[in-house]
Amino acid sequence: GDSVTQMEGPVTLSEEAFLTINCTYTATGYPSLFWYVQYPGEGLQLLLKATKADDKGSNKGFEATYRKETTSFHLEKGSVQVSDSAVYFCALSDYTSGTYKYIFGTGTRLKVLA
Amino acid sequence: ETGVTQTPRHLVMGMTNKKSLKCEQHLGHNAMYWYKQSAKKPLELMFVYSLEERVENNSVPSRFSPECPNSSHLFLHLHTLQPEDSALYLCASSGRAGSGANVLTFGAGSRLTVL
Repeated sequence: GDSVTQMEGPVTLSEEAFLTINCTYTATGYPSLFWYVQYPGEGLQLLLKATKADDKGSNKGFEATYRKETTSFHLEKGSVQVSDSAVYFCALSDYTSGTYKYIFGTGTRLKVLA
Repeated sequence: ETGVTQTPRHLVMGMTNKKSLKCEQHLGHNAMYWYKQSAKKPLELMFVYSLEERVENNSVPSRFSPECPNSSHLFLHLHTLQPEDSALYLCASSGRAGSGANVLTFGAGSRLTVL
């Protein structure tokens, strides 16, 4: 079945460091891909999305490119801030077995130190 | 109030209690979801309702009973739970169940502790 695998955390960085959080997926169809972010005490919020191969999603300085050849959707940011500390979830939405499903990864906790 | 609102935010219950979680959305969405979030596990989809009809039930134990009286409200009724059911229960909504590009809007969650 479909699945999402993302790197385990926590990832600890200094402020202004470069961030990469790896995400790979398996899917039988043509999924849409998402990154959600969860700040402490809150639910998940959409960070960015891409709906087809080679699309780049971007928001708040974060970027991710839908790479079909490597089945990846890695999250990057050039210069992280303390306020970026949160848990980041990679997810896909695919049409399988007659219905659409959303599948999430386990989440990667990011800690940014001042 | 806008967005997705969940109540209560925190709930502690014994294994013999009966309680309910409530979710309300004011986004005009017509699909609603219950997810279970446990530490170090992927989010687990429990139930999906589209236009107030249940379209998916991921083999959830019968001690969890959903109810969707209208497109704005979703409940999760709990009874005779087990300690391993302790988790964060997240409600979400979307504009149309079945659209791969649609975005889920989540509530802040209800933190459940079963003693």
